[in-house]
Amino acid sequence: EIVLTQSPGSLSLSPGERATLSCRASQTFTSNYLAWYQQRPGQAPRLLIYGVSNRASGIPDRFSGSGSGTDFTLTINRLEPEDSAVYFCQQYVMSHVTFGRGTKVEIK
Amino acid sequence: VLLRESGPALVQPSETLSLTCTISGGSMTGHYWSWIRQSPEKGLEWIGYSFYTGSTYYNPSLKSRVSISVDTPNNQFSLRLTSVTSADTAVYYCVRGATAWSFDWFGPWGLGTVVTVSS
Repeated sequence: EIVLTQSPGSLSLSPGERATLSCRASQTFTSNYLAWYQQRPGQAPRLLIYGVSNRASGIPDRFSGSGSGTDFTLTINRLEPEDSAVYFCQQYVMSHVTFGRGTKVEIK
Repeated sequence: VLLRESGPALVQPSETLSLTCTISGGSMTGHYWSWIRQSPEKGLEWIGYSFYTGSTYYNPSLKSRVSISVDTPNNQFSLRLTSVTSADTAVYYCVRGATAWSFDWFGPWGLGTVVTVSS
C-alpha cells in the first residue's frame, strides 16, 4: 500500500498570498493517478486536481498541481477567504486507493 | 448529478451496517460507484466500488466484511458492512468515479451520513 504523507499539517496565510502544499508518496508510482481534493468545513470533499496537474471542471486557475515520482505539490495563488479548507491528496495504483491525512489552510 | 446517502445513524456492535445512495440528475451507466468513509482516527478511507454492471472491487483491509451492489433501474447503489465495531464509526460518503469508463478519482460526492456504532 502506498502511504501519502502531506505537509505541513496546517498553515495560516493572508489573502492574496500563495499556499504551497506537499504530498509525498512512500513509493514511486509511474502513473499520473494523483488527485487533490478540497474539503470546506461541514462539506464533502470536492475534486480540484486530477492526473497530477489537470483542474477539474469549475476550478479557478489559481489552483495548480505539479510533481512526479514521489513528490507532488498543490499551489494556491492569490488566496481568498473561501479557500479556507482541508486539502487532501489521493493516489490510485493497481485498483488500490489511498488518501493523505490532509493539510488545513487557514486564511487570516 | 447529485448523490444522497440514507440509512440508520446508529448500529449495534456486531450487527450489519446498511446504507443506500440515491442518484439524481444522471445515469449510472459507464461509471464506477464507490463508498468512502472519514473518521478522525483513519482519515479518508476508500471502502470499495461497484461498476454499473455490478462488477466490484473492495479495499483489501475490509474485503471480508464488505458488499456493494447496484440497482441501475432505480438509480441506487448500496453498502453492507458486517460485524461492525466502534472502529467503523465514521461519516460515510457515496461517490461517483469522476471519469466515465475509468476508475481513478472521485466526484461528485454525496453530502455524507454519520454512522455511529454503539450499544
